[in-house]
Amino acid sequence: KQEVTQIPAALSVPEGENLVLNCSFTDSAIYNLQWFRQDPGKGLTSLLLIQSSQREQTSGRLNASLDKSSGRSTLYIAASQPGDSATYLCAVSTSGTYKYIFGTGTRLKVLA
Amino acid sequence: GAVVSQHPSRVICKSGTSVKIECRSLDFQATTMFWYRQFPKQSLMLMATSNEGSKATYEQGVEKDKFLINHASLTLSTLTVTSAHPEDSSFYICSAAGGSQETQYFGPGTRLLVL
Repeated sequence: KQEVTQIPAALSVPEGENLVLNCSFTDSAIYNLQWFRQDPGKGLTSLLLIQSSQREQTSGRLNASLDKSSGRSTLYIAASQPGDSATYLCAVSTSGTYKYIFGTGTRLKVLA
Repeated sequence: GAVVSQHPSRVICKSGTSVKIECRSLDFQATTMFWYRQFPKQSLMLMATSNEGSKATYEQGVEKDKFLINHASLTLSTLTVTSAHPEDSSFYICSAAGGSQETQYFGPGTRLLVL
């Protein structure tokens, strides 16, 4: 059974810092991995999607990497801003089912 | 990108009543829609997968008679919470996927409060 874990559960950093969020999964047979942002009381905003054959994806100040063999993904946020404050979720799509299993989330707070 | 809407965004109801939540794909045809539930400060848990024109597939532990799902068209799926109780209070989020199902597009969510 696929399990997805995110570390740390919560993170508070001063504005301008570069930071790394971690996601690990137990079953490497994934179809893709996606990072989402969720603001309090809101739905999900997709940030980056990495296919199982890819190693990384970049969008602006965000970079996500995937190491399928070790069951890990990282989300790198450069030059963090207060507007980046949110909960970040990673989710893996299992091969053959296309279901997403979500991680526990990292609550990020960027202090001005 | 593709847009998925949900209606209503927020609903408060009395215990014992039924509540219907709609999920619509606005600019693409969704062959598959997914329903998730999120309790406060927890992650999303998949409840069921629905394919257009066929019965939904429910995850273990989800009561199909309590959470009725209908996916009657390629742009609309509905989730009906029957005889709602306070423990059903949660954030319900749907997602929709096109033919390749490569990416799920998520709706904004519906917050249900059962008094």
